[in-house]
Amino acid sequence: NAGVTQTPKFQVLKTGQSMTLQCAQDMNHNSMYWYRQDPGMGLRLIYYSASEGTTDKGEVPNGYNVSRLNKREFSLRLESAAPSQTSVYFCASSVELGQPQHFGDGTRLSIL
Amino acid sequence: DQQVKQNSPSLSVQEGRISILNCDYTNSMFDYFLWYKKYPAEGPTFLISISSIKDKNEDGRFTVFLNKSAKHLSLHIVPSQPGDSAVYFCAASTGGFKTIFGAGTRLFVKA
Repeated sequence: NAGVTQTPKFQVLKTGQSMTLQCAQDMNHNSMYWYRQDPGMGLRLIYYSASEGTTDKGEVPNGYNVSRLNKREFSLRLESAAPSQTSVYFCASSVELGQPQHFGDGTRLSIL
Repeated sequence: DQQVKQNSPSLSVQEGRISILNCDYTNSMFDYFLWYKKYPAEGPTFLISISSIKDKNEDGRFTVFLNKSAKHLSLHIVPSQPGDSAVYFCAASTGGFKTIFGAGTRLFVKA
């Protein structure tokens, strides 16, 4: 099924460990995004990429890095995980910047 | 500072009736608005959007209304169906890159 694929679906880390969340889309979209969703809150933008080769900070970028490897793939890296980064992470893509259309099913990340 | 607010955490509606989900925003620079539906353990699904140059957009059972002077938008679902039970997010963007989401409203449609 075409769309946005995120891996892994679940992960438990210890404080201080590093991890990369993977995202790939097969719709030839230019723009890609990483969001986190916490209980009682809407999705908050971590980083986005307007096009291949460009990345920019969103609302809550601290503690994260991203790589837009090619047009299809946009990865999110936690260099030194902290309990405050326990969340559900969603990757999204879109044709138009600022209008995320297609989301992956999320990665549930717990940091102990 | 919440720029996009969905003040009703939940809403319960009878099947066949109208569901009205509300959203308020504070930033007058927002010029594009979107609604998403989210089922548990899935990502959000885009439903409908509206540009600030319009006051209404319709797609099947879903209609979004925008009142710029009141900084208010609403999503109407008519008729409501049990499969519409989900969390609904409104979002707003400033014609650029940062889309701000509300906290969501959980809709229950009773059969």
